[in-house]
Amino acid sequence: QSVLTQPPSVSGAPGQRVTISCTGSSSNIGASDHVHWYQQVPGTAPKLLIYEIINRPSGVPDRFSGSKSGTSASLAITGLQAEDEADYYCQSHDISLNAYVFGSGTKVTVL
Amino acid sequence: EVELVESGGGLVQPGGSLRLSCAVSGFTFSGSWLAWVRQAPGQGLEWLANINQDGSVKNYVASVKGRFTISRDNAKNSLYLQMSSLKSEDTAVYFCTRDRAAGTHDYWGQGTLVTVSS
Repeated sequence: QSVLTQPPSVSGAPGQRVTISCTGSSSNIGASDHVHWYQQVPGTAPKLLIYEIINRPSGVPDRFSGSKSGTSASLAITGLQAEDEADYYCQSHDISLNAYVFGSGTKVTVL
Repeated sequence: EVELVESGGGLVQPGGSLRLSCAVSGFTFSGSWLAWVRQAPGQGLEWLANINQDGSVKNYVASVKGRFTISRDNAKNSLYLQMSSLKSEDTAVYFCTRDRAAGTHDYWGQGTLVTVSS
């Protein structure tokens, strides 16, 4: 059972906007700016998508954006494309566990 | 080009041991924190351990503490994970990663599958 909770799935039509929530606590997201997001196409390694809440690594389209409020973080995908169909994971550091933790993962389906 | 190549996975019996290796090229190995992350079949990601640049600082998730040991050899640009007292729930694909800063895993290997079964 992950300490960071994500919806199991979200879906949207091409061109639409979808958001993925990541709900934590005062021990992790609420205590840290070190919130990151990863994209994983099944059968491949995860790819860093967003780091430190809002930053995109070079090469990541600006259709992807991150935010945080209190003990929750969110990933938004605007202008949804077929290639965005993948699993998405949030990550933070948990001070109680003294370990990095990943969210439960969200499968994005493009209708 | 950055490359992280894991090896050493395979089938092992419960209670057994296995050593994973990760050969790294394309970035300054000795200047980087490194980590292991695993993914059980059909499940999510689980951070396991990290190690600092000279190997003097190591952190572990509770589920593997005392059973797994992370280490590195800066002369060989290699990262290791020694796993012992393996359980069926350790069955997973194991990824080595670079931790650029505060858990930011920017480079990943392709993973190596460890299956714990009798």
